[in-house]
Amino acid sequence: KAGVTQTPRYLIKTRGQQVTLSCSPISGHRSVSWYQQTPGQGLQFLFEYFSETQRNKGNFPGRFSGRQFSNSRSEMNVSTLELGDSALYLCASSLEARNTEAFFGQGTRLTVV
Amino acid sequence: AQKVTQAQTEISVVEKEDVTLDCVYETRDTTYYLFWYKQPPSGELVFLIRRNSFDEQNEISGRYSWNFQKSTSSFNFTITASQVVDSAVYFCALRRGAGNNRKLIWGLGTSLAVNP
Repeated sequence: KAGVTQTPRYLIKTRGQQVTLSCSPISGHRSVSWYQQTPGQGLQFLFEYFSETQRNKGNFPGRFSGRQFSNSRSEMNVSTLELGDSALYLCASSLEARNTEAFFGQGTRLTVV
Repeated sequence: AQKVTQAQTEISVVEKEDVTLDCVYETRDTTYYLFWYKQPPSGELVFLIRRNSFDEQNEISGRYSWNFQKSTSSFNFTITASQVVDSAVYFCALRRGAGNNRKLIWGLGTSLAVNP
């Protein structure tokens, strides 16, 4: 069974640009969550999607957005990139049942220069 | 508010030593879940264990064991006879049990170095 797949693995962007990251969850998983990981702030929740609807959102500015498609694949977008957006972005998928765990992809390493 | 504290930032041990990683959590919820994940240099977070708030039974999986104590709000992780392959950053996380919130609250992680 394939795991969570995130593309691309690495990205270098310039300040002011926008970027789109992709996540394909484990087959059968309809919940997809995104996290930002930085050395200073650690792991922080961005948002969660379920059945194409954003179910929860973290404390990030509106420049961070996402969506989920009917096949559960998810994308997140960051517009007007800032240097502080440089981070490892991790996607997690899980089953709907509460008593389950999230499985993570290898992440996308975004560097903003 | 919910919070997870991993007081040990870095731990260095020699192979075959036992090591315990501490995790203390705060929550007002009666139903919640606790997790441990391992993050090797490749970056992927690898799931190790999930424990719900109603199950205080300790668990052992090979060289890994977990001690969950609600009285002290702790969920500690012990690696017995550590190996070089155990070198990684380990994260403890908390999730609410009620509702549809899948948000994980994370500790800052403990970086474990196991030296040969």
